[in-house]
Amino acid sequence: QVQLQESGPGLVKPSGTLSLTCVVSGDSIISDKWWSWVRQSPGKGLEWIGEIYHTGSSNYNPSLKTRVAMSVDKSKNQFSLKLYYVIAADTAVYYCAVDRSGYHRPDSWGQGTLVTVSS
Amino acid sequence: SYELTQPPSVSVSPGQTARITCSGDALPKKYAYWYQKKSGQAPVLVIYDDNKRPSGIPERFSGSSSGTMATLTISGAQVDDEADYYCYSTDSSGNTWVFGGGTELTVL
Repeated sequence: QVQLQESGPGLVKPSGTLSLTCVVSGDSIISDKWWSWVRQSPGKGLEWIGEIYHTGSSNYNPSLKTRVAMSVDKSKNQFSLKLYYVIAADTAVYYCAVDRSGYHRPDSWGQGTLVTVSS
Repeated sequence: SYELTQPPSVSVSPGQTARITCSGDALPKKYAYWYQKKSGQAPVLVIYDDNKRPSGIPERFSGSSSGTMATLTISGAQVDDEADYYCYSTDSSGNTWVFGGGTELTVL
């Protein structure tokens, strides 16, 4: 049973870089799956950030594309999210997720981690 | 950019049928997925590929899709079904995924 756990700073300064890591257990990061990031700002809906395959192939939300970078660390069985030039509106609970069947419909999720953008 | 449109809220009494709609231009050719989201919890996939239920999801949850509209139906809604429900799908390219705005379901 795959398990996902997000980690990273809970507070980031405006114009800084948000960096999160998702550690994968119970499955291999190089399996045939897309590894995803989703966020939810306070009082708002779910927002798809993007997804990455272990080869490095990725798809990003067009509205975030210029500020987002995802990567995979095969040696640590984890994947990461970087969001550059953050603003207050990037304050959200960030989830990592995966579709255990290898498609693009995440059915296994991390618990989520709150990241606040504030000076 | 691609959008999925849902009603902001739906309200039913316990035991009634709740229907939540989701409209999107690519839905005639792309599957719809539905997530249940409760406060403080991670989303739960309740319907995939328009009308399939993952294991462990109660039979009262069903889905359908016709033309540009997908529908999540909860037959005999229970108080425990109170949550926000999000449809999820991809645009015509298949590379960009999007959530609908979410529908708050009230059962009381």
